[in-house]
Amino acid sequence: EAGVTQFPSHSVIEKGQTVTLRCDPISGHDNLYWYRRVMGKEIKFLLHFVKESKQDESGMPNNRFLAERTGGTYSTLKVQPAELEDSGVYFCASSLTGGAKGDTQYFGPGTRLTVL
Amino acid sequence: AQSVTQLGSHVSVSEGALVLLRCNYSSSVPPYLFWYVQYPNQGLQLLLKYTSAATLVKGINGFEAEFKKSETSFHLTKPSAHMSDAAEYFCAVSGTGRRALTFGSGTRLQVQP
Repeated sequence: EAGVTQFPSHSVIEKGQTVTLRCDPISGHDNLYWYRRVMGKEIKFLLHFVKESKQDESGMPNNRFLAERTGGTYSTLKVQPAELEDSGVYFCASSLTGGAKGDTQYFGPGTRLTVL
Repeated sequence: AQSVTQLGSHVSVSEGALVLLRCNYSSSVPPYLFWYVQYPNQGLQLLLKYTSAATLVKGINGFEAEFKKSETSFHLTKPSAHMSDAAEYFCAVSGTGRRALTFGSGTRLQVQP
């Protein structure tokens, strides 16, 4: 069974440009999460999808970030326009639904974003 | 609100020595607690989790953690370190309502030969 995959693995862009990150969750996982780790800081939650609906987007830093999950399968996270402070590693995770007792989130390898 | 504190951003042990990575949490609801490990150039991998069953939780690769409610702690231990244990370890908490994980700042474990 394939794990969570993310594309690209690395992205280097200039300030003001747009970048789109993609996440493919484990097949059959209704829950999809985005997290971010800025260098030297802890991993922070961005948002949570259940199928195609945004369940919790309390961690999204500002309106330059737009997440979508069309059809409840893969998800994209777009940053437009990118700022220097957006640099970091963006992780995607997925989990089965119905797991009220601390369902396990399976993480992808992350996308390292560098904004110059 | 939930929070996690990991004491020690870097821990160094000798091969064969006890590994002890500390994690304290704060949660207003009964917590679910997790330890994840990140090896170089890889994603986070679940080591073990506590979900209100047994307080001593055994995980993969010989790791275990004990949930102590009175101390609000969930420390990770391994009796004998191996070189392959060198990685960054993250403690995380979630609650009964919100599924998002709240992470500690991570502890990088170095194993000396």
